[in-house]
Amino acid sequence: DQQVKQNSPSLSVQEGRISILNCDYTNSMFDYFLWYKKYPAEGPTFLISISSIKDKNEDGRFTVFLNKSAKHLSLHIVPSQPGDSAVYFCAAKTSQGGKLIFGQGTELSVKP
Amino acid sequence: DAGVIQSPRHEVTEMGQEVTLRCKPISGHDYLFWYRQTMMRGLELLIYFNNNVPIDDSGMPEDRFSAKMPNASFSTLKIQPSEPRDSAVYFCASSSGTGGGETQYFGPGTRLLVL
Repeated sequence: DQQVKQNSPSLSVQEGRISILNCDYTNSMFDYFLWYKKYPAEGPTFLISISSIKDKNEDGRFTVFLNKSAKHLSLHIVPSQPGDSAVYFCAAKTSQGGKLIFGQGTELSVKP
Repeated sequence: DAGVIQSPRHEVTEMGQEVTLRCKPISGHDYLFWYRQTMMRGLELLIYFNNNVPIDDSGMPEDRFSAKMPNASFSTLKIQPSEPRDSAVYFCASSSGTGGGETQYFGPGTRLLVL
């Protein structure tokens, strides 16, 4: 039973355009949602997070949107840059304990 | 400031051998996590510690896997005996607190290949 799903294994975007990465979840007890970015041969690095009491969080070119009724969140990258090319993982957790549940990841390719 | 340190970075071993993976968390972090990444199952939590005490080991696949944290600056994940299906990338992560959206900081991972 996969509680966090990223249904698009890959996404290709032109440099300068918007990248939209999607994530769905099934557990209504999740309180926090995080996005991690991973380059090959490196560990995931934290990108941005959002609490379930918010519907939007912005940090520079990165914005995360949360739709609790649809159990859906998305990461927007504007404008996309070639250096953004990586695998993006969506993750979720409850406020009880530290267990992060990860999605399968979406590989983003930003073409010059 | 050094991040999470893992060793070795790569390990190739034969089926049946014992494998020990090591992790040094970020100084001052009181939570330590062990994850495994495979093509089939993605990134999954194996076990995590708080103040050196195991809190949740429900992700440990079977008795062949064990993890210890003898002090705040060191943890090991041991596989004995190893099997080819254990081949994966193993990540260690640490954080300060977990009640909210605290970030977990990941090490570079250990790529394990069991022949």
